[in-house]
Amino acid sequence: DAGVTQSPTHLIKTRGQQVTLRCSPISGHKSVSWYQQVLGQGPQFIFQYYEKEERGRGNFPDRFSARQFPNYSSELNVNALLLGDSALYLCASSPAVEAFFGQGTRLTVV
Amino acid sequence: RKEVEQDPGPFNVPEGATVAFNCTYSNSASQSFFWYRQDCRKEPKLLMSVYSSGNEDGRFTAQLNRASQYISLLIRDSKLSDSATYLCVVNDNDMRFGAGTRLTVKP
Repeated sequence: DAGVTQSPTHLIKTRGQQVTLRCSPISGHKSVSWYQQVLGQGPQFIFQYYEKEERGRGNFPDRFSARQFPNYSSELNVNALLLGDSALYLCASSPAVEAFFGQGTRLTVV
Repeated sequence: RKEVEQDPGPFNVPEGATVAFNCTYSNSASQSFFWYRQDCRKEPKLLMSVYSSGNEDGRFTAQLNRASQYISLLIRDSKLSDSATYLCVVNDNDMRFGAGTRLTVKP
């Protein structure tokens, strides 16, 4: 069975640009969450979606948005990129309380 | 106070050693607890869930003390392949991660 897949794996953007990250959950998982992990820290919660509805939002600015599609895949969008947005962005899908992570998208903002 | 706090580490131990990681959490109503393992530049992977009664999986033992809001992970007979960062995770509708404790097992 395929695990959580994310695309792209690496991305370089310029300050002020916009980026869209994509995630496909494990088949049968209806919940998708997004996390930001900067070097030396644990992942920080950004969003959770379940059945296309937002179920939770972390302490991130409105430049961050997300959505979930009918097939349960999800996109994370970040506008007006800042240097501080450089991080590993992780998507996780959940059957219940446990979470299974994709390999992440490493975003570098220059 | 941080929501989830872990030993800062790093831990450098010889093969065969026993090592223990500790974690405290701030929300007394938290219900689900986990340990994840993260290799360098890779995604976190679920190591084990933590149950109130304590649970063991081979060389790994997890304990939960709800009264003290404390979680622990014990690794016995450390292997070189155990070298990684260990993340304590509390699920309060969304997952709250500790900063992680880095373990290096040396020959």
